[in-house]
Amino acid sequence: DADVTQTPRNRITKTGKRIMLECSQTKGHDRMYWYRQDPGLGLRLIYYSFDVKDINKGEISDGYSVSRQAQAKFSLSLESAIPNQTALYFCATSDLAPGTSGTSSYNEQFFGPGTRLTVL
Amino acid sequence: AQTVTQSQPEMSVQEAETVTLSCTYDTSESNYYLFWYKQPPSRQMILVIRQEAYKQQNATENRFSVNFQKAAKSFSLKISDSQLGDTAMYFCAFMNRDDKIIFGKGTRLHILP
Repeated sequence: DADVTQTPRNRITKTGKRIMLECSQTKGHDRMYWYRQDPGLGLRLIYYSFDVKDINKGEISDGYSVSRQAQAKFSLSLESAIPNQTALYFCATSDLAPGTSGTSSYNEQFFGPGTRLTVL
Repeated sequence: AQTVTQSQPEMSVQEAETVTLSCTYDTSESNYYLFWYKQPPSRQMILVIRQEAYKQQNATENRFSVNFQKAAKSFSLKISDSQLGDTAMYFCAFMNRDDKIIFGKGTRLHILP
């Protein structure tokens, strides 16, 4: 079974509809992230959460909200979807790891399979 | 603010050849991490290689290696003996100590038979 799962994998919706994208992980990680990928723009950070009580805005949070229901679950909502929110959405997780040299730490992010959202 | 620039939107090479993907970044920090991610048509994000800024030695993972030039803020990826399965979008990425990753816009690489 995949460590980081996203549902749905694909979704087509209409302008104005409320949409929720869900992310679950079995890695036991505290940190979770939502990214958006647009052609020619790479991935951009929408929101991130370092634990259940910690939610932070990323680079492009306008039009989105999130909910961290548990350590393992992090949902992204579009309250009123618009066509320019058509994109590929990725969830990622990470955990604190000790640095190999004692001078820094490295926390690899593990990505889910992505959700392709189309807003008509 | 940190930025990551990939100047090659698209590249094509013949199978078995060596190809180098370019990446430059901008930061005022001295301690950070750099990554190359691969995104095949399956759209899964796969970590190819990482480099810690405090290490002078260039990272290597099998056929993948990097040329890390800290003073020039350059981080290129070399793929040796390229294979058809290397066809993908490649993203250069930067992470600072607050664990947020900044991605470049990507280079689409085609390996031709």
